[in-house]
Amino acid sequence: GQQVMQIPQYQHVQEGEDFTTYCNSSTTLSNIQWYKQRPGGHPVFLIQLVKSGEVKKQKRLTFQFGEAKKNSSLHITATQTTDVGTYFCAGDNYGQNFVFGPGTRLSVLP
Amino acid sequence: GAVVSQHPSRVICKSGTSVKIECRSLDFQATTMFWYRQFPKQSLMLMATSNEGSKATYEQGVEKDKFLINHASLTLSTLTVTSAHPEDSSFYICSARDMDRGFYEQYFGPGTRLTVT
Repeated sequence: GQQVMQIPQYQHVQEGEDFTTYCNSSTTLSNIQWYKQRPGGHPVFLIQLVKSGEVKKQKRLTFQFGEAKKNSSLHITATQTTDVGTYFCAGDNYGQNFVFGPGTRLSVLP
Repeated sequence: GAVVSQHPSRVICKSGTSVKIECRSLDFQATTMFWYRQFPKQSLMLMATSNEGSKATYEQGVEKDKFLINHASLTLSTLTVTSAHPEDSSFYICSARDMDRGFYEQYFGPGTRLTVT
C-alpha cells in the first residue's frame, strides 16, 4: 500500500535558524497537504499542493511539490518559538487513500 | 468557518463498556468524515472513512464490529468503541471534508482522549 515517509523525525533549532522537513511518497499523489499540530492540540491544515513543481509561500513558510508528485518539502525561514509543533504531510492518492506521514517534531530554542 | 467539534473531549470508562464519540461539522456539510487514532508522539492512523448515508469503509486491521461508525447526517458522525479494553486507550480524532468548497483539506476536531481502566 501507499507509504508516506518524513525526515527528519526530530529537529531542534535555535530561534532564527531555518528548518526544512521532507516528505516522500511511495506512489504518485494527486495532491499533498501539510498540517501542523501543536503540543496537546489537533492537526491544523496549512496548505494543499496540487500541481507538479508547485511552490507556495505563506509568510515564512515555503512549500514545494516535486516534479514527479511523489515528494514535497516545507521550509521555515528564521524560525520562531511559535513554530514549535509537529509538521505532518499527508498524501492523497486520487481519493483512494489519504495517508499521513509520521511527522517531524520541531523544537525551537529561544 | 469550517469548524469541527467533538464530544466528549475526555472520557474514562471501565473495561467492557462501550463509549460513543460524536463528531459534528458546525458550519458546513461534511460529505465525508474520517476517524483517526493517534498514540502519544505518533502520527495519525486512519481507522475509517464514512460517507453520509452509507456504510463506513474501514482500513485494514481495524475491527468494524468493535469500532462502529455511523454517519447519519451531513453534520454528524459517531464512533462507538464497543467492549472497550485498556489497549483501546488512545486519542481519537475526527475530521471532515467539505467537497462543495472545491478543496480537499480536512478540518479536524479537537479530539477525544479515551482512557479505559
